[in-house]
Amino acid sequence: EPEVTQTPSHQVTQMGQEVILRCVPISNHLYFYWYRQILGQKVEFLVSFYNNEISEKSEIFDDQFSVERPDGSNFTLKIRSTKLEDSAMYFCASSEASGDNEQFFGPGTRLTVL
Amino acid sequence: GQSLEQPSEVTAVEGAIVQINCTYQTSGFYGLSWYQQHDGGAPTFLSYNALDGLEETGRFSSFLSRSDSYGYLLLQELQMKDSASYFCASTRDYQLIWGAGTKLIIKP
Repeated sequence: EPEVTQTPSHQVTQMGQEVILRCVPISNHLYFYWYRQILGQKVEFLVSFYNNEISEKSEIFDDQFSVERPDGSNFTLKIRSTKLEDSAMYFCASSEASGDNEQFFGPGTRLTVL
Repeated sequence: GQSLEQPSEVTAVEGAIVQINCTYQTSGFYGLSWYQQHDGGAPTFLSYNALDGLEETGRFSSFLSRSDSYGYLLLQELQMKDSASYFCASTRDYQLIWGAGTKLIIKP
């Protein structure tokens, strides 16, 4: 069964450093998303991506964040200068279509900023 | 603003039926999704309602009333493996807006 994969599973970084979180969405999916979940809290939308551009982003997704699809399979989230409050689980998801379609989530990357 | 309200915790007995409610206030509402998340795991899709009424998928059913901005997830014949957090999420264009989640505790 196809699945979304994410690497690394756990990333530890120093405050102010740049991190890149990687995702491989399901191959025939067209819509890609990043979400984050601070420990014990709800899942929060960050950004959606379609046709090589951002479709929508939340207020969390400020200038420190960027996304890219560098090739036909990878989808990355970059945080330019990490802050302590960026520590969270970051989930990548993909779907065949927008709106009402099921989103498939990857296993997540736990980011710890020290 | 956009918000979804659901109880923080529900406790039930193995083999019983439990209902998790969700009320929402969102603009550009397409439908209501339900996701399950086990501790330390990724959310997994359970069901989606775009229209009013009941959708049934095995032991799980989901209901939506657009006029009441309300939905619920019904879990029947509870099993210990159903112990997890359950999130309602409103679908809107390119994103899911999530509720805070309901932790379902199942006792033997």
